Formats: sequence, structure tokens, C-alpha cells
Amino acid sequence: KNEVEQSPQNLTAQEGEFITINCSYSVGISALHWLQQHPGGGIVSLFMLSSGKKKHGRLIATINIQEKHSSLHITASHPRDSAVYICAFQGAQKLVFGQGTRLTINP
Amino acid sequence: EAQVTQNPRYLITVTGKKLTVTCSQNMNHEYMSWYRQDPGLGLRQIYYSMNVEVTDKGDVPEGYKVSRKEKRNFPLILESPSPNQTSLYFCASRLLSQYTQYFGPGTRLTVL
Repeated sequence: KNEVEQSPQNLTAQEGEFITINCSYSVGISALHWLQQHPGGGIVSLFMLSSGKKKHGRLIATINIQEKHSSLHITASHPRDSAVYICAFQGAQKLVFGQGTRLTINP
Repeated sequence: EAQVTQNPRYLITVTGKKLTVTCSQNMNHEYMSWYRQDPGLGLRQIYYSMNVEVTDKGDVPEGYKVSRKEKRNFPLILESPSPNQTSLYFCASRLLSQYTQYFGPGTRLTVL
């Protein structure tokens, strides 16, 4: 069993829909990251969370440390949000990554 | 502009021909790391470095070498590449005091 599980693996939605991507992990962590990988391949850090909730524009990330669960929400989704979203927890000297969620937003 | 650069971005080579992928950062970051990304396996750490002359193995170090002679550079060396090293490689860096990592643009390597 992977230490980090993401769901769904693939998600297709219409422009404007509210999107939720889930991430569960199996160990105690100090921080959890949400990353975005665009079709061109580059990886960008969206959020780093250790508790609670963070918001940046239309993106919201939450974490529940007790339940070992985090969610990434996208409000008013847009085709430019189409990307792979990856959660990763901060291990001792490395990031431990989930498999990623491929999000496609159709116009 | 603060960034992590990698070169080359794309490389097609043949089995056994030594190659080096360079990684450089201009943010004075102590920590640098190499990852490979494969379909179905996600991102996995190859090697990391906590500072100059300090390197250690990640999850999949076999077939790779690294060096950290300068703070800004962290090259990945494949002494004798094999087809199973065909992958997308990312370099990343961060300050030791912070967790946010900055990723390079990736190097797509094909070994024939």
C-alpha cells in the first residue's frame, strides 16, 4: 500500500464546476504539499500545509492531521486548470509523492 | 529571476554512453534533490544533498551518481545508462529552514 493515496486518479469536469481532489496518508507528517504539473511537464508548488486551511485565488487546500487527510478544491474551474495535481508529504529528507490526479476541464 | 535550471531538457542516447544532467539554482538553497517520474510509479527520489559535499541516497539510487562541489550545482551522472533509466527527471531545491521545494523544468531522457 502506498504511503500516499490520491483520489480520483482521473477527473473530467465542465468549466465552472467545483472540483475536489483527495489525499490520504498513512504516517504522521510535519507538512503536506500540493503540486501542479502542467502538460508541458513543469512542476509548481501550490500549497504547503501543516494544519487548517489555505486559500490562493480559486484554490483552497485543507488538511485534517488527526484523520491524515487533505483535500484540494478548485472553485469555478477553468480549462487552464487542466493539469496533474500531486500531493506529497514531507518525509525526513525527501518528499513522498502520491500518484497524482489528472484533471481535465472541458469548456 | 529565482529559478532552478536543468540541462539538457531532452536527450536521446544509447546504452552505455556516459551522460550528465546538470542542475543549477540561484537561490542559495542548501538542499537539492533529484527525482525521476515514471508512469504508474509517480515521482521517486534518486539522491539528495543537504549541503556542499553532503549527499545521500534516496529511494532509487542504483545506476546514478551525484556530486555537490558547489552550493548552486548538483549534477546527476549516469555512468552507463540502460533503457530502464528512460524517464523524466526533475531537480529540486529548497532552504533547509523551509519545506517548499522549487522544481526545475525537467529533463526527458530516452536510453535506446
